[in-house]
Amino acid sequence: DVKVTQSSRYLVKRTGEKVFLECVQDMDHENMFWYRQDPGLGLRLIYFSYDVKMKEKGDIPEGYSVSREKKERFSLILESASTNQTSMYLCASKQGGGFLETQYFGPGTRLLVL
Amino acid sequence: AQTVTQSQPEMSVQEAETVTLSCTYDTSESDYYLFWYKQPPSRQMILVIRQEAYKQQNATENRFSVNFQKAAKSFSLKISDSQLGDAAMYFCAYVNQGAQKLVFGQGTRLTINP
Repeated sequence: DVKVTQSSRYLVKRTGEKVFLECVQDMDHENMFWYRQDPGLGLRLIYFSYDVKMKEKGDIPEGYSVSREKKERFSLILESASTNQTSMYLCASKQGGGFLETQYFGPGTRLLVL
Repeated sequence: AQTVTQSQPEMSVQEAETVTLSCTYDTSESDYYLFWYKQPPSRQMILVIRQEAYKQQNATENRFSVNFQKAAKSFSLKISDSQLGDAAMYFCAYVNQGAQKLVFGQGTRLTINP
């Protein structure tokens, strides 16, 4: 089975802190994604990566950056956390470039910024 | 830009009965795919069912089936013989042919009453 893990289930940070959210997948998937999930808004794509060191902006990249130094790991970085970044963050991965390929999701990290 | 709308924030159904979750989408594309994802309270999102737009036959996976109306841009999910384990947040999602980005609806929280 594909396994996507995220470093923390819950995280509490202060405004202005630099925050790292880590995601690891164990199936050699080429594509990885970061979403944020907010009530009434569904999932919105922040960034995705289709290869090591490659990244593309999603729909809401402002205030975030990403890093993919190894194929299995995709990090989401909040350079200076703000209260409006309090949310659930979901990581996903999928094999190959086909749009039909299933995305596999991690359990999510609930981030609270105080 | 494509949009996906789930007009039912919450639904409830008695155990063993049938429930239908609604989804509409807006696109000018002719080749695309539609998905229903399930997010149980543990938060690991999983794929329930998917539909290719070029196929007229509605997809079916055991107790889950879809009613795909391409002209009306409607993609509803029917759950037959509802079980307690079906309680979850359900998301409808869309992807263009050749694209990587899934566009999600707002989600419908389904409650199963014993």
